[in-house]
Amino acid sequence: AQSVTQPDIHITVSEGASLELRCNYSYGATPYLFWYVQSPGQGLQLLLKYFSGDTLVQGIKGFEAEFKRSQSSFNLRKPSVHWSDAAEYFCAVGVGNFNKFYFGSGTKLNVKP
Amino acid sequence: DAGVTQSPTHLIKTRGQHVTLRCSPISGHKSVSWYQQVLGQGPQFIFQYYEKEERGRGNFPDRFSARQFPNYSSELNVNALLLGDSALYLCASSPGLLGKDAMSQYFGPGTRLLVL
Repeated sequence: AQSVTQPDIHITVSEGASLELRCNYSYGATPYLFWYVQSPGQGLQLLLKYFSGDTLVQGIKGFEAEFKRSQSSFNLRKPSVHWSDAAEYFCAVGVGNFNKFYFGSGTKLNVKP
Repeated sequence: DAGVTQSPTHLIKTRGQHVTLRCSPISGHKSVSWYQQVLGQGPQFIFQYYEKEERGRGNFPDRFSARQFPNYSSELNVNALLLGDSALYLCASSPGLLGKDAMSQYFGPGTRLLVL
């Protein structure tokens, strides 16, 4: 069965510090991979996606993610965090011919001034 | 262009009642999916509709049903509400059914349902 694991429930970083959010997936073939961000009470905004090709993908708001097939990982990174990045981040896997998405349980990011 | 819109934004119901949630996809998008997000968890896939037909269903009871209209808008219906149905219900639209078209999902702001 497909699954997505985000091992960190909460992360706190200082403003200006670098950030890495972890995501591991379980799926037989190469999946489509996504990172979404959700602010309190809001829907999901797509940060970036990986379909194929270059394993380092750039997204909006200065985020990037790297697909590592050998580790079944798709970690999200940002070199310098801003206070406005405080939100909840979800990793998702899209499988099959239809858009069935499997989401991780999310990582809440707090940013210290 | 307008994004995915959902109505209502908030809803309070009592156990046993039924509820209808509505979603309008991005113009030109033919596929709509519904997700349930319980507090503290990631969204869970409920349904996918494309060209008015159900194309995918998650692990939800028959109390949950949906339909898609000729203009590609969609309704999610939940009967015999339980306390555990309290959640944020998200709608997502995508341009098509297969491959990258299907995977390019855009989410609406959600409807927050509280069952008392």
